[in-house]
Order: sequence, then C-alpha cells, then structure tokens
Amino acid sequence: DGGITQSPKYLFRKEGQNVTLSCEQNLNHDAMYWYRQDPGQGLRLIYYSQIVNDFQKGDIAEGYSVSREKKESFPLTVTSAQKNPTAFYLCASSRGGDYGYTFGSGTRLTVV
Amino acid sequence: QKEVEQNSGPLSVPEGAIASLNCTYSDRGSQSFFWYRQYSGKSPELIMFIYSNGDKEDGRFTAQLNKASQYVSLLIRDSQPSDSATYLCAAEGGGSTLGRLYFGRGTQLTVWP
Repeated sequence: DGGITQSPKYLFRKEGQNVTLSCEQNLNHDAMYWYRQDPGQGLRLIYYSQIVNDFQKGDIAEGYSVSREKKESFPLTVTSAQKNPTAFYLCASSRGGDYGYTFGSGTRLTVV
Repeated sequence: QKEVEQNSGPLSVPEGAIASLNCTYSDRGSQSFFWYRQYSGKSPELIMFIYSNGDKEDGRFTAQLNKASQYVSLLIRDSQPSDSATYLCAAEGGGSTLGRLYFGRGTQLTVWP
C-alpha cells in the first residue's frame, strides 16, 4: 500500500540536542512538506520541497533544517537553536492539482 | 501574508442535526479549497475539495464555495458522534505559491448523542 511514514511516533529531546525526524513516502509525489502543530495554532509550515535537491523555507524555518536527496525522503532536523520545539510535527506529500496533501501519522516531540 | 480564517468554535450540535463550518480566505488567486478532518492526536485526513463556485456533495458532506465573497463552507448533514473532530479549511495559494496549502486554525466540532 502506498503511503507516507513518519518515525518515530514519540521523540524526547534534551536541551541543546539536535534531533532528526524521518519522513518517507512511496506515493511517487514530487512535493513534500513539514508542518508544526501547536494547540490552538493550526498548522504552520516549516519547510517544503517541490523537487529533489531543492527546498524552500516556510513561515517558521528558524531552528530547523531539511534535506531532499531522494524523492522518497524529506528528513527534518530540529536543532538546538529551536528554543521551543515541543509540538506535533506533520509531514505531508502532494502530487499537486486537486488531490491536496497526504499526511503522515505525525511525530510528537517533547523537550525533557 | 495569505490567511485562512475559520469560525473559532467550538461547535456543538446534537446527533442528527446539520453542522455548519465556515471559512474565509484572503488570496483572490486561490482556486482550490480543501476540508480536512483531524481526530484528537491524529493527523489530518482529506474529506472534501472544491474549486468551482457552488455546491459539491459527497454523502453527508456538502462543500460550498463563493469566490466573489472569498468564502468556503462545509455542511455535515445527519451529524453523528463519530463526526466529532477538528475540521481544517485549506486554500491553495495562487501565483508563485501555487501548490502550497494555507490552513486555518480549525473548528472543533462535538456531536452529542
């Protein structure tokens, strides 16, 4: 079955530590996205990529980094520069047009 | 900044009633609009999309679009307790932001038996 897989489901980060969230899709979608969701805030775009080896900053990119070396993969690194990283992180992919986004199941990151 | 605004809710309706969810958007270049349902602790799932003015029906769901008023709505007929979730409205950006979706903050719906 085609889909988009995020791992891990839960992640705990210590102060000053970088962590990487995985996002893999086998839908053959060109575009991939990372969103952050906080209670009452809706979805805020961190980074997006419309093609391999290219990506753009979203609205809240500070303290995050990404890479897009393969079409299937779009990992997100939460760096120590991100001062308030506790949130629900959602990865999505899209083939464009009227199909919208397909979301992964999310990673819940907590700072300990 | 392209914005999507939703009626803040929360919205509470009895089982069997019609639930009405509303959304406005700021980008006149937006052509496609989406409604997602998100259960607590889960990821959003697409339930409707619309790109033409007027109504689009799918089972108990009807999406309505009025581009002149920059208004999108979702009606849920014969609401069920299983419809209790947060509903996210999204507009596809126009021009240079084509392909990118802008999301509202969501409206929390509770359907009570």
